[in-house]
Amino acid sequence: GQQVMQIPQYQHVQEGEDFTTYCNSSTTLSNIQWYKQRPGGHPVFLIQLVKSGEVKKQKRLTFQFGEAKKNSSLHITATQTTDVGTYFCAGLDNYGQNFVFGPGTRLSVLP
Amino acid sequence: DAGVTQSPTHLIKTRGQHVTLRCSPISGHKSVSWYQQVLGQGPQFIFQYYEKEERGRGNFPDRFSARQFPNYSSELNVNALLLGDSALYLCASQTSGGPGDTQYFGPGTRLTVL
Repeated sequence: GQQVMQIPQYQHVQEGEDFTTYCNSSTTLSNIQWYKQRPGGHPVFLIQLVKSGEVKKQKRLTFQFGEAKKNSSLHITATQTTDVGTYFCAGLDNYGQNFVFGPGTRLSVLP
Repeated sequence: DAGVTQSPTHLIKTRGQHVTLRCSPISGHKSVSWYQQVLGQGPQFIFQYYEKEERGRGNFPDRFSARQFPNYSSELNVNALLLGDSALYLCASQTSGGPGDTQYFGPGTRLTVL
């Protein structure tokens, strides 16, 4: 079945440093969504990417979808303590209607 | 408008018991999905319902069942609970549940099986 992996598993950064998490799928994806989950909270939708090579920006967050539609990345510029949480990618394959979540990358930001 | 609501917030059960979890989607949304999130892992898809019909099912045993009511609220039932069923159970609401639909998650029900 479809597998979605994320690296790194954990990332500790100093406030102001940049952060990147990578998402890789074993199969081609029709689209990919990114979510953020704060400690003790629930996943909150951030963005959806659909087109090959697509790049979207939300303030300090930049999302990319690979040309082959099998990988994606989330980059945060100049992290803040409010960025703390776990970032999940969720891929929708070309055959199903259900999303497969990656294991997440847990981001810690030291003030 | 209210967001996705789930009840109860927390639940403690013992092995062999059954449990019913409830979810009310955002007003106007007709699709509900259920996910299981074990501590330290990503959510795993269990079921999706749209207009009271099951649209998708994840790789979970038959002990897990769900249904959707005419008002689009939903129940997830788990029978013969195992210790490994301890997790956060999340409900996600979508307008129609189509491939491009945004999923809005509820706060979840934390189930502990002793």
